[in-house]
Amino acid sequence: DIQMTQSPSSLSASVGDRVTITCRASQDISNYVAWYQQKPGQVPKLLIYGASTLQSGVPSRFSGGRSGTDFTLTISSLRPEDFATYYCQKYNSAPITFGRGTRLDIK
Amino acid sequence: QVQLVQSGPEVKKPGTSVRISCRPFGYTFSRHYIHWVRQAPGQGLEWMGAINPSGGSASYAQDFQGRVTMSRTTSTTTVYMALTSLTSEDTAVYFCARDAQKTPMRFMASVGWFDSWGQGTPVTVSS
Repeated sequence: DIQMTQSPSSLSASVGDRVTITCRASQDISNYVAWYQQKPGQVPKLLIYGASTLQSGVPSRFSGGRSGTDFTLTISSLRPEDFATYYCQKYNSAPITFGRGTRLDIK
Repeated sequence: QVQLVQSGPEVKKPGTSVRISCRPFGYTFSRHYIHWVRQAPGQGLEWMGAINPSGGSASYAQDFQGRVTMSRTTSTTTVYMALTSLTSEDTAVYFCARDAQKTPMRFMASVGWFDSWGQGTPVTVSS
């Protein structure tokens, strides 16, 4: 199975900061990566699919990138509502796998 | 507007089974796979498997093979996930989620990202 190694597992940042979260796939998965945001007690929310396509309604401060088997989620300028846990997901073929998550806290 | 509505919280004894329902609204039931994902307390997301509502075929993650069954009823456009031989390790919130892609011609030829999620069903396994 293809593993998604997500880092860091936690991150402290301030409002206005630029942050980047990374997922590394254990083999080539083309652009088949999605990113989700989850706040405590809430359902995961889709942010990005196809490695870099922003889901409708998601603010443009979120962006996704790819370099080989490394995938990134970048938030260009953190807002208070962005403090949450973020997950990457590999799709296209079963089994679907998720990264272990990155908890983004207020510094 | 796409919406997935799940059944309510469950409390089960070890060794028993649970069945959770998920009813999608706002799109054609047969055109998108439904996936099941669970999240143990304080943990990450774990994919359990997927079902094609059109034909009823299902694919399960290795960790759940032999314990999970996904099914659907077309008359009520409802999908079900049943998990047997429960242990405390199965205590989690269980989510259904819609596959964003239309169902492929060949079962599980491709699966997509999840563009809509149910509200989650908490399952507690305790003696």
